[in-house]
Amino acid sequence: SQKIEQNSEALNIQEGKTATLTCNYTNYSPAYLQWYRQDPGRGPVFLLLIRENEKEKRKERLKVTFDTTLKQSLFHITASQPADSATYLCAPGGYNKLIFGAGTRLAVHP
Amino acid sequence: EAGVTQFPSHSVIEKGQTVTLRCDPISGHDNLYWYRRVMGKEIKFLLHFVKESKQDESGMPNNRFLAERTGGTYSTLKVQPAELEDSGVYFCASSYGQGSSGNTIYFGEGSWLTVV
Repeated sequence: SQKIEQNSEALNIQEGKTATLTCNYTNYSPAYLQWYRQDPGRGPVFLLLIRENEKEKRKERLKVTFDTTLKQSLFHITASQPADSATYLCAPGGYNKLIFGAGTRLAVHP
Repeated sequence: EAGVTQFPSHSVIEKGQTVTLRCDPISGHDNLYWYRRVMGKEIKFLLHFVKESKQDESGMPNNRFLAERTGGTYSTLKVQPAELEDSGVYFCASSYGQGSSGNTIYFGEGSWLTVV
C-alpha cells in the first residue's frame, strides 16, 4: 500500500539556520506533491506545490525539491524564525486525493 | 475572500447520536473534499465532490457516514449513529480545478468531533 514517511522526531534548530525536512514515499507515483503547515488546533495551510516534471520550486524563504527517482521531496526553510515553528505535512497527490504523511514538528529556538 | 468555512468547530455527542457537519467551500470552487484525522493518525481522505456529484468516495469508512452536496455549493457530512472511534477532526477542503491537475487544495479549520 502507499506509504508516506516524514521525520517522526521533532526537528529543533537555532534561529537563522536552515531547516530541512524530508518526505519519502513508497508504492506510489504522485503527479504532484504539496507541502502544508499546520499549527495546533488549526487546519493545514498550503505552502508550496511541485509537479513531477519540476525538480525545484521556491517561494520566499521556502524551497522544495522533488526527486521521482529517489521518491523523495525535501523542504527547506532558510533563515528560520521562531514563527516558523509548526508541524509541516507532506502530501503527494494524484487522482484528486492527497495522501498525507504524519508530519514533522519543527521548533525554531531564538 | 473567505476561505473554507466549517461548522460546528467543536461538537461533543453521545454514542448513538447523530451529528451533521457543514462545509462552505471557497466561492467558485467546484471541487470539494472531506478528510479526517483520528487520534494519533495521519489525515485521511474521505471523499471528493465535483459540483454536486460524488467523484470518489473510496475513503468513506462505512455506511454510517453520508455526505451530500445538494446544488453544488455547501456540503454536509452526517454521522449516524456515531461511534466512539469516529472521534477526530473532520477537515473540508476545496479547489478550483481538479486536484489531479495540481490545483491547490485549500483546507478549512476543521470540525472537532468527540463521541462519548
